[in-house]
Formats: sequence, structure tokens, C-alpha cells
Amino acid sequence: ETGVTQSPTHLIKTRGQQVTLRCSSQSGHNTVSWYQQALGQGPQFIFQYYREEENGRGNFPPRFSGLQFPNYSSELNVNALELDDSALYLCASRLDSRRGYTFGSGTRLTVV
Amino acid sequence: GDSVTQMEGPVTLSEEAFLTINCTYTATGYPSLFWYVQYPGEGLQLLLKATKADDKGSNKGFEATYRKETTSFHLEKGSVQVSDSAVYFCALLSNDYKLSFGAGTTVTVRA
Repeated sequence: ETGVTQSPTHLIKTRGQQVTLRCSSQSGHNTVSWYQQALGQGPQFIFQYYREEENGRGNFPPRFSGLQFPNYSSELNVNALELDDSALYLCASRLDSRRGYTFGSGTRLTVV
Repeated sequence: GDSVTQMEGPVTLSEEAFLTINCTYTATGYPSLFWYVQYPGEGLQLLLKATKADDKGSNKGFEATYRKETTSFHLEKGSVQVSDSAVYFCALLSNDYKLSFGAGTTVTVRA
């Protein structure tokens, strides 16, 4: 198993810009979720995709959007970046509902 | 909505001491419960899980029992090591897709 890989590991953007974060899940992992972890806090659920369709969303505005691809990769897009978007963004995937999620190491986004 | 409350840290212990981190939850239905661990600069690693009442999850000397009557899932380890220094998160899985996390407890083990 190759695990969950996220890229880039670190990123600095300017307020108002757009960013795309990427995640590569293990083969067969049809479910992928994205979380935002602010410094010193627990991860907050952004949304989840199952077989390329969004099937759950947390309390995040529409400028947070995503895509999931047939090759088990996914993207998190954030438009009109704000300073408060600075956080660690985690991707997590799983094979099926009986198994726990496997998390990537995250992308550290800094908005200046 | 569903939520998790865990013991605030930081917690500082000496090697071989006993560790307990309290976790309680609020949920509708019957969630699955998890403990995740995060080492500095890394993502989350699943430490253990329990999917129904009275289940005991265990891994690497850590244990936690799903207590429905007290809505709790406290993490314990009988003898900690320096390598156990990390941030520990209690989490529940609701509606089969969303993980709700506690705020995390930072544990530091001194040699």
C-alpha cells in the first residue's frame, strides 16, 4: 500500500488568491474527505467525496470546493483566500465503511 | 450536532507513568469512536477504534473502552515512553462519513 500522499507540503499565498491542493489516495479508496486543522485545534470536516460525487459537507463557504478523479486522486480548491484560511489541510481516504480513514501528512497553507 | 470533548492539556509525565486522557461525546445514534495520534509535523495516525458499546480498542499498549452509559471513550496506557510524546485526538464517526474531533491533548513524556 502506498498510503495517502498530499502535495505540496507547504504553500504560501497572498490574500485574495486561489489555491489548489492535491491528494493521491490508495487504490480502491472510493471515499475521500478533506479537513482543515488550525494551529492548536482539532481537524474540522470540510467535505467528502464518494465515487466522484460530493456526499457530505461541513460548515465551510462555497469558495471551498473539491473534485475527485477516477484514479483515486482528489483536489481541494479554495478561492478568494483569507488570512483565516491559514491552516494544515488534511486529506483522508478509506476503502469502505468498516475501515478507518487513512490520513495524509497534510499541506501547510499560509495566507499573507 | 455531534461533538467530542476531551481533556485539555498539556499533560507532562515521566517515563513509565500511567496515562489517562478523558474523552466524552454527544451523538445521535450509535457512532464509531476513534483515537488518533499526531506527531510533530505529521498527519494523523489511527491509534485505535471501537464500533459499538462495550468494545475495547487496543494498540501499542493503549486501550479505550466504548462506554455508552457514560458516553465516554477514555484513552489509557499503563507505562508511557518518551516516544509516546504527541498530540492525541478523540473522534467520532457519525452518519457514516463525517469525523468529529476533539481539540486534542498534547502529551509530553520526560525521560
